[in-house]
Amino acid sequence: GDSVTQMEGPVTLSEEAFLTINCTYTATGYPSLFWYVQYPGEGLQLLLKATKADDKGSNKGFEATYRKETTSFHLEKGSVQVSDSAVYFCALSDKGGSEKLVFGKGMKLTVNP
Amino acid sequence: DVKVTQSSRYLVKRTGEKVFLECVQDMDHENMFWYRQDPGLGLRLIYFSYDVKMKEKGDIPEGYSVSREKKERFSLILESASTNQTSMYLCASSQPGQTNEKLFFGSGTQLSVL
Repeated sequence: GDSVTQMEGPVTLSEEAFLTINCTYTATGYPSLFWYVQYPGEGLQLLLKATKADDKGSNKGFEATYRKETTSFHLEKGSVQVSDSAVYFCALSDKGGSEKLVFGKGMKLTVNP
Repeated sequence: DVKVTQSSRYLVKRTGEKVFLECVQDMDHENMFWYRQDPGLGLRLIYFSYDVKMKEKGDIPEGYSVSREKKERFSLILESASTNQTSMYLCASSQPGQTNEKLFFGSGTQLSVL
């Protein structure tokens, strides 16, 4: 079945550091790929998405590019802030929309001032 | 913006009790979902519903049932709670077919079964 493998952490960075969170996937078709973020005490919210190969999703300074050849969707940010401290989840949907998303295990990021 | 409201933030129940977790969304979404979130396991889908009175099993439905009598409300039922059902439960909703379709999550219910 479909699956998502991501860095699990936890990871601690200093403010303004560069962030990469690796995510690779296994799917039979051509899935849509997502990054969701969960801030402390809150539910998950969509950070960015990409629906086809070579698409780049971006939001709040975060970026991820859908790489079909390496089945990857790594999340990057050039300069993290304390407010980026959260748990990050990579996910895929083989139906293109939000039905039956398959999530990775999540990675907790802490950014120190 | 869409609001997904879960009735309790924290809940403590005893083994064998029947437990109801309630979720309400205010944007007329067709799809609603129940996930559980456990450290090291991420989110796992328990059940989802794509219409009133319709439901489909997710990846881990054992020990759970659901009810969707009204479009805005999706209930998760633990018929006889067990300690291995101690977890964070997340409800979500979405409207299929939209260009910007995405899941909207509630803040979660942390259930402890003693």
